[in-house]
Amino acid sequence: GESVGLHLPTLSVQEGDNSIINCAYSNSASDYFIWYKQESGKGPQFIIDIRSNMDKRQGQRVTVLLNKTVKHLSLQIAATQPGDSAVYFCAESAGTALIFGKGTTLSVSS
Amino acid sequence: NAGVTQTPKFRILKIGQSMTLQCTQDMNHNYMYWYRQDPGMGLKLIYYSVGAGITDKGEVPNGYNVSRSTTEDFPLRLELAAPSQTSVYFCASSSGQGIQPQHFGDGTRLSIL
Repeated sequence: GESVGLHLPTLSVQEGDNSIINCAYSNSASDYFIWYKQESGKGPQFIIDIRSNMDKRQGQRVTVLLNKTVKHLSLQIAATQPGDSAVYFCAESAGTALIFGKGTTLSVSS
Repeated sequence: NAGVTQTPKFRILKIGQSMTLQCTQDMNHNYMYWYRQDPGMGLKLIYYSVGAGITDKGEVPNGYNVSRSTTEDFPLRLELAAPSQTSVYFCASSSGQGIQPQHFGDGTRLSIL
C-alpha cells in the first residue's frame, strides 16, 4: 500500500551539529508534505510543510527539501540543540488525509 | 488560545466497557480528525469530519464511532473496549483538508485490561 517511511529509526548528534532526517514516500500523487515534532507525552507539533510545486522551504533553523524524482523528503535542523530531542515524523497527503511514517528519534547530547 | 483540548489524559478500561474520548477546538476549524498511535509507530487515521454533521471513516475505523454536532466538538466513542484498542489517541483539527497543517491535542492514553 501507499506509505511514508523514514530511513533511520534513531539519530544521535552533538549539540551544535546540523541534523538531517530523511523520509521516503511512495505515492507519486502526493502533493503536500509536512514534518512534525513529537516530545514525550505530547501531541505532534507542526514544524514545516512543503507543497509539491516546491523543492525547498526554509523556516527558523529548519529546512525541508523535496526530491520528487526519487520521492524523498528531508528535514535539516541547523545548530541542533538539546531541546530538539524528540521524535520526528514526516507525513504526506494526496488531498484526503495525512499519512504518517513511523518516526525518527533524534537524540542531542551536550 | 487553547487550540485542541482532549479529555481525559489517561484512562484504564476493562474489556467490554464503553467510553467517550472528548475533543474540542477553539480555532473555528472545519476539519477534525482522530488518530491512534501505537508504541513506536506513526499515527493512523480512525475517523475524520469535514464539518458539523459530516463524518467519514479513515484507515482503522472498526470498533469506533464518532459524531460531529458542532464545529468545536468531535467525540470518539468506544462501544465494547478490546485490548487491541490500547493506544494513545490524538485529535487534530485543520482549516482545510490535506494541504493545511493539522494541529494536535496532547492525546488520551487508554489502556484496556
